Amino acid sequence: DTGVSQDPRHKITKRGQNVTFRCDPISEHNRLYWYRQTLGQGPEFLTYFQNEAQLEKSRLLSDRFSAERPKGSFSTLEIQRTEQGDSAMYLCASSSSHRLAGNNEQFFGPGTRLTVL
Amino acid sequence: SQQGEEDPQALSIQEGENATMNCSYKTSINNLQWYRQNSGRGLVHLILIRSNEREKHSGRLRVTLDTSKKSSSLLITASRAADTASYFCATDEGVGGFKTIFGAGTRLFVKA
Repeated sequence: DTGVSQDPRHKITKRGQNVTFRCDPISEHNRLYWYRQTLGQGPEFLTYFQNEAQLEKSRLLSDRFSAERPKGSFSTLEIQRTEQGDSAMYLCASSSSHRLAGNNEQFFGPGTRLTVL
Repeated sequence: SQQGEEDPQALSIQEGENATMNCSYKTSINNLQWYRQNSGRGLVHLILIRSNEREKHSGRLRVTLDTSKKSSSLLITASRAADTASYFCATDEGVGGFKTIFGAGTRLFVKA
């Protein structure tokens, strides 16, 4: 295990279709994050899991977005009824709570680039 | 909305020169982190500074934090072409401090 992996790396879909992305965190990490990044901007927080519990969710996230981490290991992010505005890079990151309190160094995956036509 | 705002938005320097990037944020923080992003390696954590620290060093990196001004700076000394990347500051908010908010970043270009 050399890092956070994401699948697929690229996804092209038509407007209105559903898409699902997968993230495999570093195996010993109990924290997992999803972000969205558009060109020229920093990553935008979407949601956070500690083990299997979803503890934070951005208010920017519409009901079309849902994320799961059923066994506290890998996670999926689903976007229903995609819109052109959903086109972005979707990043996953993981970190461990078993370090010094307050330290939240996150390790990022390569991202899934979504293009909605 | 973004918590951290970096300044400048873009910076172009010659190899060997120092690069300074600034970050401002809005709410109280537990810590502030700097990340680098380039096409080759994605987003990589550089350094974390806690709210009770004023300065921290890591190799050619020097980070300062002024909680009274809600600002931080990242200094890269003796820059190299390989330092060409976007640099982001990030702060944690929300219950437990696990909602990480990134700024828009500073794009650094180091000319060889």
